Amino acid sequence: AQSVTQPDIHITVSEGASLELRCNYSYGATPYLFWYVQSPGQGLQLLLKYFSGDTLVQGIKGFEAEFKRSQSSFNLRKPSVHWSDAAEYFCAVGATGQGAQKLVFGQGTRLTINP
Amino acid sequence: DTAVSQTPKYLVTQMGNDKSIKCEQNLGHDTMYWYKQDSKKFLKIMFSYNNKELIINETVPNRFSPKSPDKAHLNLHINSLELGDSAVYFCASSHVSLDGYTFGSGTRLTVV
Repeated sequence: AQSVTQPDIHITVSEGASLELRCNYSYGATPYLFWYVQSPGQGLQLLLKYFSGDTLVQGIKGFEAEFKRSQSSFNLRKPSVHWSDAAEYFCAVGATGQGAQKLVFGQGTRLTINP
Repeated sequence: DTAVSQTPKYLVTQMGNDKSIKCEQNLGHDTMYWYKQDSKKFLKIMFSYNNKELIINETVPNRFSPKSPDKAHLNLHINSLELGDSAVYFCASSHVSLDGYTFGSGTRLTVV
């Protein structure tokens, strides 16, 4: 079965520092991969997605992610975080179930920014 | 203009009651979903509808009954509410091609 693991439940970085959030997936074929962000009390917003092609994907808000098939990873990065980046981040893989497509999410990583 | 809107945003109710959550999308998407986010923030799919037809039902108790009157609306009715139903319920929509979901802002259900 398809699954996603985000090894870090909580990460704290200082404002202006670089960020990397880890994501590992389990999927037999070429995966569809996504990163979403959830601010407190809000729904989820799509940051970026990977379907095929260039393995380095650019997203909104200055985020990027790199697909590494050999490591089954899709880590999210940002060179310099801002206080407004504090949120919950979810990695997801597009999966097929009951003949239809769905997103399977990781457990989420909570990002705290120190001033 | 809100793309995916859910009502109500908050719902507090007693055990045993029946309640409904409504969802509407104005994106022209074909597929709509209900996801449940538990207290540990874990998101799990409950149902998926494509053009008013149920296509995914992920071992959800039959106290939960989704209804889709048209492809822009997906409602969730819950009978005989239990304490364990307390969660945030998210509606989402997408094109069938899994182009990424658009989520609503969620309904926080608290059963007391």
